[in-house]
Amino acid sequence: EPEVTQTPSHQVTQMGQEVILRCVPISNHLYFYWYRQILGQKVEFLVSFYNNEISEKSEIFDDQFSVERPDGSNFTLKIRSTKLEDSAMYFCASTSSGGPPLHFGNGTRLTVT
Amino acid sequence: ELKVEQNPLFLSMQEGKNYTIYCNYSTTSDRLYWYRQDPGKSLESLFVLLSNGAVKQEGRLMASLDTKARLSTLHITAAVHDLSATYFCAVHNAGNMLTFGGGTRLMVKP
Repeated sequence: EPEVTQTPSHQVTQMGQEVILRCVPISNHLYFYWYRQILGQKVEFLVSFYNNEISEKSEIFDDQFSVERPDGSNFTLKIRSTKLEDSAMYFCASTSSGGPPLHFGNGTRLTVT
Repeated sequence: ELKVEQNPLFLSMQEGKNYTIYCNYSTTSDRLYWYRQDPGKSLESLFVLLSNGAVKQEGRLMASLDTKARLSTLHITAAVHDLSATYFCAVHNAGNMLTFGGGTRLMVKP
């Protein structure tokens, strides 16, 4: 069964550094998402992306965050200057039509020290 | 703003017992999802509920949706240890956004 794949599985970075989290959505999917989950807490929506532009974003997704689909397969989340509170599990998800269900990747655990 | 609340947040139960997890949400929505998450792992889609009165069953799990009451339930029948995980409900919000509940951490003891 096709999967959403995310790399790296774990990233440790120092506060103030830039990080790029990478995702390869399922190949025929058109809608892409980033969610995050702070340890032990609920999953929170960050951003959705369709047709090479952001379609929705939450309050969490401020100017420090950006997304990009640099080629036909990758979907990236960049955090420009990481803060301690950015430490979380970041999940990429995709869907073919914008409808259910969302297929989630295994996540990237980001630790900011 | 859509709020999604689950209860209980933590559930410890014996194998063989039945229990129900509740998911309440604050505004009208036409889609509700249940996900399972094992520790350190991704979110596995369990059920998608698309209409009032929808009921879906898979093994020992059964999910239902009452859109008028803004309530979904996840019923566990004759629990087994393998069901130990965290269960999230998520409600479809405007556009393509999902709003998740806080999760219910289920521990099934032998």
